[in-house]
Amino acid sequence: ETGVTQSPTHLIKTRGQQVTLRCSSQSGHNTVSWYQQALGQGPQFIFQYYREEENGRGNFPPRFSGLQFPNYSSELNVNALELDDSALYLCASSLVIGQGYGYTFGSGTRLTVV
Amino acid sequence: QQQVKQSPQSLIVQKGGISIINCAYENTAFDYFPWYQQFPGKGPALLIAIRPDVSEKKEGRFTISFNKSAKQFSLHIMDSQPGDSATYFCAASGRSNYQLIWGAGTKLIIKP
Repeated sequence: ETGVTQSPTHLIKTRGQQVTLRCSSQSGHNTVSWYQQALGQGPQFIFQYYREEENGRGNFPPRFSGLQFPNYSSELNVNALELDDSALYLCASSLVIGQGYGYTFGSGTRLTVV
Repeated sequence: QQQVKQSPQSLIVQKGGISIINCAYENTAFDYFPWYQQFPGKGPALLIAIRPDVSEKKEGRFTISFNKSAKQFSLHIMDSQPGDSATYFCAASGRSNYQLIWGAGTKLIIKP
């Protein structure tokens, strides 16, 4: 049984560009949540996907979008990157839709926007 | 009302001592209170969690104390070891949430 795998581990982008981050869920987990963790802060909820549909969303603009695939892997897409988007992006998979328990987190993707 | 306030921001404890981190919440609909441990370059890992129907939960050297009336909960690490040096986050969620609400984190350093 593998854990949650995220790619790439590090990424540098220029302001205004677009980025796609990828997440492979833990085996058997059908729910994936994405969080943004700015330096020195706790993670902030972006959105959750269950069976390929967005199931809940935090206070993030529409330029943050996602996909979940039939194998439960997921992508986070961010358009029109801003400097404040620089953060660690965490993916968490779980078996439980809704409430934030049963999470297994990946190691994250460190995004730097210059 | 969605906030979880965590203190202290940083903590230095001697090896073998007790580390105590505190959190407070406002939303009485929260019914799940986990603590996560995060090492540099890694994602958070669940350490221990509690529901509000109990006042204390212990797992090895880690104990959560929960005070429902005060809307506070704390993490106690007994016999703290250098390997416990990490950032600790409290969090909370409820049935009406799709998310965990996180504290700002406590950077714990255990001195040998």
